[in-house]
Amino acid sequence: GAGVSQSPSNKVTEKGKDVELRCDPISGHTALYWYRQSLGQGLEFLIYFQGNSAPDKSGLPSDRFSAERTGGSVSTLTIQRTQQEDSAVYLCASSPRQAREAFFGQGTRLTVV
Amino acid sequence: AQKITQTQPGMFVQEKEAVTLDCTYDTSDPSYGLFWYKQPSSGEMIFLIYQGSYDQQNATEGRYSLNFQKARKSANLVISASQLGDSAMYFCAMREGGTGGFKTIFGAGTRLFVKA
Repeated sequence: GAGVSQSPSNKVTEKGKDVELRCDPISGHTALYWYRQSLGQGLEFLIYFQGNSAPDKSGLPSDRFSAERTGGSVSTLTIQRTQQEDSAVYLCASSPRQAREAFFGQGTRLTVV
Repeated sequence: AQKITQTQPGMFVQEKEAVTLDCTYDTSDPSYGLFWYKQPSSGEMIFLIYQGSYDQQNATEGRYSLNFQKARKSANLVISASQLGDSAMYFCAMREGGTGGFKTIFGAGTRLFVKA
């Protein structure tokens, strides 16, 4: 498809397990963002990638969270030793360099039980 | 540090009337962009309108306009002729340019209810 693709769309995991969330940005988009949205809340910035520059990791809430972007395209957000407070919708967005808006995926709903 | 404030957690408007959703921001970067996004109950994020910090005119996109008051650091969204389909969450966002990179932060959102 032409849009930002995230997988899985839903993930239920047990507390303490590791999870990986995947984002396929729109082809050619150099910027990629990860956000977290808790139920009924706003979007919390997690991490930002721009081309080959060092990522802006200032929003990652703890060292249990990490993300990488391979070949300037697909990105994986990894949460280690998940906690119940990690339950949220994780949104990925991408944009071309110098673009105005970002284009969002449908999100991954993570539930930690 | 960047900051976006939306002080209205919920707003009601009568169908066909206009409504203003408030947004104030704080940044020390002279180059920045302001955005509004709509999030219906389906969860998708829909881009509505953009205002650059150096733009002289207020941005308009169809029924959406952005009331940009730079000195007050406000970027209110005005929706004219509200429709039932406008019921959704609305998020104000800001992206710093220049040395701040392109990190975009979002406000807490305003939930709009359009009454028939």
